[in-house]
Amino acid sequence: DAGVTQSPTHLIKTRGQQVTLRCSPISGHKSVSWYQQVLGQGPQFIFQYYEKEERGRGNFPDRFSARQFPNYSSELNVNALLLGDSALYLCASSAGTGAYNEQFFGPGTRLTVL
Amino acid sequence: DQQVKQNSPSLSVQEGRISILNCDYTNSMFDYFLWYKKYPAEGPTFLISISSIKDKNEDGRFTVFLNKSAKHLSLHIVPSQPGDSAVYFCAAIWGGSNYKLTFGKGTLLTVNP
Repeated sequence: DAGVTQSPTHLIKTRGQQVTLRCSPISGHKSVSWYQQVLGQGPQFIFQYYEKEERGRGNFPDRFSARQFPNYSSELNVNALLLGDSALYLCASSAGTGAYNEQFFGPGTRLTVL
Repeated sequence: DQQVKQNSPSLSVQEGRISILNCDYTNSMFDYFLWYKKYPAEGPTFLISISSIKDKNEDGRFTVFLNKSAKHLSLHIVPSQPGDSAVYFCAAIWGGSNYKLTFGKGTLLTVNP
């Protein structure tokens, strides 16, 4: 079975541009979470979606937005990119609704902002 | 404000010896703790977890210990193998946070043959 997939693998943008990152969860998983991992830090929670509804949001500015589609795939959008947005963006999916369901991570999208 | 702290950026051990990775937390609301392993170019993979009602959980070569009074947990790997070389993240969760995992900065473990 396929795991969590993310696209693209790598991305280079310039300051002020907008970017869209994509995530496909494991088949049957209805929850998707997004994390940002800056070099030398642990992943930081950005968003969680379940059944197309936002269930949680981390401490990120409104430039960050996300949505989940009927097939449970998800997109993360970042507007007005800053140099500090350069990071590995991780998507994780989980099956159930409980807070303790195991989250399965994708390989991430490496975003570089120049 | 780092709620989950891994104060050792790196650890190097010999193959066959014990690896001990440490993690401290400050939020007393955390009630479930996890360890993730991450290889380069891959996402973190779940390794082992422990509920706050327990003080030990074992899975093969991996054991996690929780000391709630000290707000400290540790991951023991015995015996260590070269394939264990990776970044290890400690993470914590509490029910009121839904799916939000709070991660530490990670510890790079190198197991030398």
